Amino acid sequence: ETGVTQTPRHLVMGMTNKKSLKCEQHLGHNAMYWYKQSAKKPLELMFVYSLEERVENNSVPSRFSPECPNSSHLFLHLHTLQPEDSALYLCASSQDHGQQETQYFGPGTRLLVL
Amino acid sequence: KNQVEQSPQSLIILEGKNCTLQCNYTVSPFSNLRWYKQDTGRGPVSLTIMTFSENTKSNGRYTATLDADTKQSSLHITASQLSDSASYICVVSRGGGADGLTFGKGTHLIIQP
Repeated sequence: ETGVTQTPRHLVMGMTNKKSLKCEQHLGHNAMYWYKQSAKKPLELMFVYSLEERVENNSVPSRFSPECPNSSHLFLHLHTLQPEDSALYLCASSQDHGQQETQYFGPGTRLLVL
Repeated sequence: KNQVEQSPQSLIILEGKNCTLQCNYTVSPFSNLRWYKQDTGRGPVSLTIMTFSENTKSNGRYTATLDADTKQSSLHITASQLSDSASYICVVSRGGGADGLTFGKGTHLIIQP
């Protein structure tokens, strides 16, 4: 997959650790997204960036902190997570932030919080 | 409340058979409906998108239908292949940005040889 890449693919961390998830898109898109996918639940939108500016204000705990240094890169900084934060974290990008835009997803980071 | 309900939750069929997945929604206003395929260990990939005026859209062996009056959509898979084993997610947009999207929980499809 060369469109949207995510690292690491798997991560195990303790509740007191600090880690970061990285996403990179090679599609020249202007919008990037973080989603959380838990078992038997719909995808949950966490953060949206358009032209490097955060544009959505979803209710996400402050232990998740996004960073978008440029239009190709998106980070999700994690600290003092809880076991219920264990999930698949998906990054996506789209040409622009609009209703008809197709989002292209990365393979995800499988996170386990112990 | 905006909701997307998918059925069945899971489905097992034999290779070569056809199947139909259902999506019912209560999202309002309606902008478009999209079906995604998510392979195990991968992110979702868009299969089809339909707006209010479209009632059918095909992508190879995948055919999606939309009845905007009854707020129902279906995804029909013809002559299934082992590679069709995946989760299929229905997503309805009420317009605006990504926060206007309502995701279903998905149907987990297994194709057996």
